[in-house]
Amino acid sequence: RKEVEQDPGPFNVPEGATVAFNCTYSNSASQSFFWYRQDCRKEPKLLMSVYSSGNEDGRFTAQLNRASQYISLLIRDSKLSDSATYLCVVNPGTGRRALTFGSGTRLQVQP
Amino acid sequence: DAGVIQSPRHEVTEMGQEVTLRCKPISGHNSLFWYRQTMMRGLELLIYFNNNVPIDDSGMPEDRFSAKMPNASFSTLKIQPSEPRDSAVYFCASSPRDTETQYFGPGTRLLVL
Repeated sequence: RKEVEQDPGPFNVPEGATVAFNCTYSNSASQSFFWYRQDCRKEPKLLMSVYSSGNEDGRFTAQLNRASQYISLLIRDSKLSDSATYLCVVNPGTGRRALTFGSGTRLQVQP
Repeated sequence: DAGVIQSPRHEVTEMGQEVTLRCKPISGHNSLFWYRQTMMRGLELLIYFNNNVPIDDSGMPEDRFSAKMPNASFSTLKIQPSEPRDSAVYFCASSPRDTETQYFGPGTRLLVL
């Protein structure tokens, strides 16, 4: 079983739609959680951290469910510029700074 | 401020040749990470350094791969000899002391023929 699992997609949605991605992680000791965004042929960039209480940044909402070991990302009012691959990222809690990246979920927002 | 700098951006080489990838982390960052990304395997951590010391190299595929960080502003990843299966995008990332956020360089696209 992979440490971090994501549906690869693609998710094809029209502009203005709401879309949600889920991610599951296998290590219950995992401590920190993030969503990164990667545009085609570019490097990954931090989108947002995921806190236990959930957090929101504009049109983006991230939530963590420790009991079920999953993380979600909700995007409201999708824009064409949201088209990218979204990587679920976990610090496995080994006391080290290494992060484990999921394979990513591809989102394509269509006009 | 300059971000993470990687060179070369593209490299095409023949099987058996030595390849050296270079990375300059963001000034003041104390952790440096080397990743490899392929369609099949996604983004894999190869090795990371903390204060120039290798901490975890369990992701290094085999003895053909080696990495060094002689000082806080420079790291290399070397493949010798290279093989076609090494073809991938290699990313370097750095992270400051007080956060887990990693800042990625633009990557080196390696093609081994």
